[in-house]
Amino acid sequence: GIQVEQSPPDLILQEGANSTLRCNFSDSVNNLQWFHQNPWGQLINLFYIPSGTKQNGRLSATTVATERYSLLYISSSQTTDSGVYFCAVDDGGDYKLSFGAGTTVTVRA
Amino acid sequence: DTAVSQTPKYLVTQMGNDKSIKCEQNLGHDTMYWYKQDSKKFLKIMFSYNNKELIINETVPNRFSPKSPDKAHLNLHINSLELGDSAVYFCASSQGATKNEAFFGQGTRLTVV
Repeated sequence: GIQVEQSPPDLILQEGANSTLRCNFSDSVNNLQWFHQNPWGQLINLFYIPSGTKQNGRLSATTVATERYSLLYISSSQTTDSGVYFCAVDDGGDYKLSFGAGTTVTVRA
Repeated sequence: DTAVSQTPKYLVTQMGNDKSIKCEQNLGHDTMYWYKQDSKKFLKIMFSYNNKELIINETVPNRFSPKSPDKAHLNLHINSLELGDSAVYFCASSQGATKNEAFFGQGTRLTVV
């Protein structure tokens, strides 16, 4: 099956800092999503981004499908950005998402 | 209105018991899933259903039996619970194979004692 690697595994930020999270995947994909799992355990959809660039407030994401990676940018981080960020992909017609191991982000006030 | 809702949110039970987790989606999606998140937060597919038909059973023990009475519901029944079944179980839904953006329920934390 498709392999998904996320880096870094852990990230500690001071409030107001910017950061970049990376997701590499081993095969071409039909779907790529970024999720935020907040400290209460909820999985929140951030982006559906199989290719291209999207922005939503302080967050933006870019997927370069031909090079098999995606980046999630967090700007002006806030304590509410803390949690685990997951990248998940499917290779089309497979009816399942394969998840990376996640990046745990801690934003300190 | 919650798009994907699952109940209960917490479930504490003894080894050997049978329990069920219910899931409903109001998004009109054709495909529903169960995922398991282990203690290291790794998420893995267990089952997927498309139009009430089982599509994926990812080598899950047969003590786990999903049931989809209609496209909007996918329940998970677990027999003879074991300590190792303790985890967070997430239900999800998506439109289908083309635009496959998945939306997740709030999770059910199952603790087997």
